[in-house]
Amino acid sequence: QSALTQPRSVSGSPGQSVTLSCTGTSSDVGAYEYVSWYQQHPGKAPKFIIYDVTKRPSGVPARFSGSKSGNTASLTISGLQAEDEADYYCFSYAGTYTYVFGTGTKVTVL
Amino acid sequence: QVRLEQSGAEVKRPGASVRVSCKAFGYVFTSYYIHWVRQAPGQGLEWLGLIHPSGDKMKTKYAQEFQGRVTLTRDTSTSTVYMDLSSLRSEDTAVYYCARGLFEFSYVYLHSWGQGTLVTVSS
Repeated sequence: QSALTQPRSVSGSPGQSVTLSCTGTSSDVGAYEYVSWYQQHPGKAPKFIIYDVTKRPSGVPARFSGSKSGNTASLTISGLQAEDEADYYCFSYAGTYTYVFGTGTKVTVL
Repeated sequence: QVRLEQSGAEVKRPGASVRVSCKAFGYVFTSYYIHWVRQAPGQGLEWLGLIHPSGDKMKTKYAQEFQGRVTLTRDTSTSTVYMDLSSLRSEDTAVYYCARGLFEFSYVYLHSWGQGTLVTVSS
């Protein structure tokens, strides 16, 4: 199972919006509504921030939103804040208890 | 409050095996899948496998790349899941994480994470 493709880095100024893409195939992202996103700060465990493509777990700020079109899922951070600077990974179910992570995107707040 | 507590750092020789434990607190242990994920230094996340602590062997699955080298087991008396990785090589040097599923019997998300265990493979 090949890793999902994410841009290596994305940057934005405080208050701006940034969108991270996650491109898979018709066997993973395109086949299931089971895409999730994780935020990871340096030296920390990942944090679960989006599931079922668009849903936010309790406690995750509303500025994080998810979407999907075809084989590409996206995470948008609206109103970028300094604490949003982190690595972000998408994760998709690929059928028969098979899973795949994205390559990861580093978000920099300028 | 859900919490996963992992065992401490390990240093192993190439060819050896390692066991990492993940002890669960704050929920019904036998109702939630546990996934294992690793992250090599400076690299991304990699999914290793999952286990359902009910003990149903049909609900223990491994990433194809690790078939035959990784084994997941559980001890319901201590609410602990174990990850054994054998035939270690330098490329297995990584932080290993356990993570619990989001809903009971749901196997598609990684909701609560352990703190991570660094495994270093070096001669």
